Amino acid sequence: NAGVTQTPKFQVLKTGQSMTLQCAQDMNHNSMYWYRQDPGMGLRLIYYSASEGTTDKGEVPNGYNVSRLNKREFSLRLESAAPSQTSVYFCASSVRMDVGRVWTQYFGPGTRLLVL
Amino acid sequence: DQQVKQNSPSLSVQEGRISILNCDYTNSMFDYFLWYKKYPAEGPTFLISISSIKDKNEDGRFTVFLNKSAKHLSLHIVPSQPGDSAVYFCAAQQDTNAGKSTFGDGTTLTVKP
Repeated sequence: NAGVTQTPKFQVLKTGQSMTLQCAQDMNHNSMYWYRQDPGMGLRLIYYSASEGTTDKGEVPNGYNVSRLNKREFSLRLESAAPSQTSVYFCASSVRMDVGRVWTQYFGPGTRLLVL
Repeated sequence: DQQVKQNSPSLSVQEGRISILNCDYTNSMFDYFLWYKKYPAEGPTFLISISSIKDKNEDGRFTVFLNKSAKHLSLHIVPSQPGDSAVYFCAAQQDTNAGKSTFGDGTTLTVKP
């Protein structure tokens, strides 16, 4: 049981290059999310997927696209990378807890992206 | 407009003493509040949560207090241990939003032996 896995762990891009960040979870969760964390700041939601086949914009979606490939996998694509997208990217999946009905998120280890 | 704020970027306490981390929010529609803990080079991990209809939730050394009228919550860690040194994020969510969470900027806790 690996939880949430992300690849790659670290990537350097040049401005204008494209790449896809991969995320997979093995917990059978319906909801999945992509966040970015900049230094000294909290996590900001880029996109989320409430269930297989649906995706919605979060707080900072510009410059990104997502694909919910199946229940397990949720990828994030940068079509034309910019230095402002230098950040740490976290994928998460979520389940509603039995007690209290709160949604608890399980995070991957993150992808560190540097755009030159 | 930042809906969840953690006004203290850092906190340092002595081992064995109490750590109190604070969080303020502006959106009265939030139904749940959560605390996550993050070590360097790892993803955040869930610590404890509280429903907006409660004012206290306790789990071992960790207790979260909610003051809904003041739109304020706090996380108490008693006693603090060196292994508690980490960044703590406060987060809030609404019941109908499929788990979407709004995070504060985090507080770095250092527990000195």
